[in-house]
Amino acid sequence: DVVMTQSPLSLSVTLGQPASISCRSSQGLVYSDGNTYLHWFQQRPGHSPRRLIYMVSNRDSGVPDRFSGSGSGTDFTLKISRVEAEDVGIYYCMQGTHWPFAFGGGTKVEIK
Amino acid sequence: QVQLQESGPGLVKPSETLSLTCTVSGDSLKTNYWSWIRQPPGKGLEYIGYISHNGDSNHNPSLKGRATISLDTSNNQFYLTLRSVTAADTAIYYCTRTARRLDFWSQGTLVTVSS
Repeated sequence: DVVMTQSPLSLSVTLGQPASISCRSSQGLVYSDGNTYLHWFQQRPGHSPRRLIYMVSNRDSGVPDRFSGSGSGTDFTLKISRVEAEDVGIYYCMQGTHWPFAFGGGTKVEIK
Repeated sequence: QVQLQESGPGLVKPSETLSLTCTVSGDSLKTNYWSWIRQPPGKGLEYIGYISHNGDSNHNPSLKGRATISLDTSNNQFYLTLRSVTAADTAIYYCTRTARRLDFWSQGTLVTVSS
């Protein structure tokens, strides 16, 4: 099975400062159709997860442009250019390329 | 707007069967894939499995054959059955649209396994 490893486990960020979360997969995530099914989800306290970024770098509708995704192969990154109070929560990467699909362990973002 | 809503008992006894229903509005089950995800309290997300519009399904081997996902396109509902539950199956259960992309999620329902 593909293992998704996120780092750091938690992040304490000053408002207005950038944040970066890493996600590494134990295998490459390019599917036979040429797509890379690596996505990022945000889970605010008490809420269900919400997809922010799909297929590495595509922002979902309504997601602020301070969120960006990048990467290829086995290394992927979610960046928040300027952290705001509403960004507090847990962020998960997920691979939908190899069955069983799997999530990373999550990165908790809090405000310093 | 696509909406998903789970329903089912919030308490199940150990060794019994957990059964959940997901009702979809704003989309047809005939045109997509549909999935179940769970999250033990305070822990991370686990992918349970998915089903296609024609009924083909795939279940996470970690559940050791205890899970079954099915659908009823006439009612626009899909279902999760998890047999022989233990306390380790206590979790918030989410239903979602698509298999590989998980673009829309339900609000989640807590199922507790306890006698």
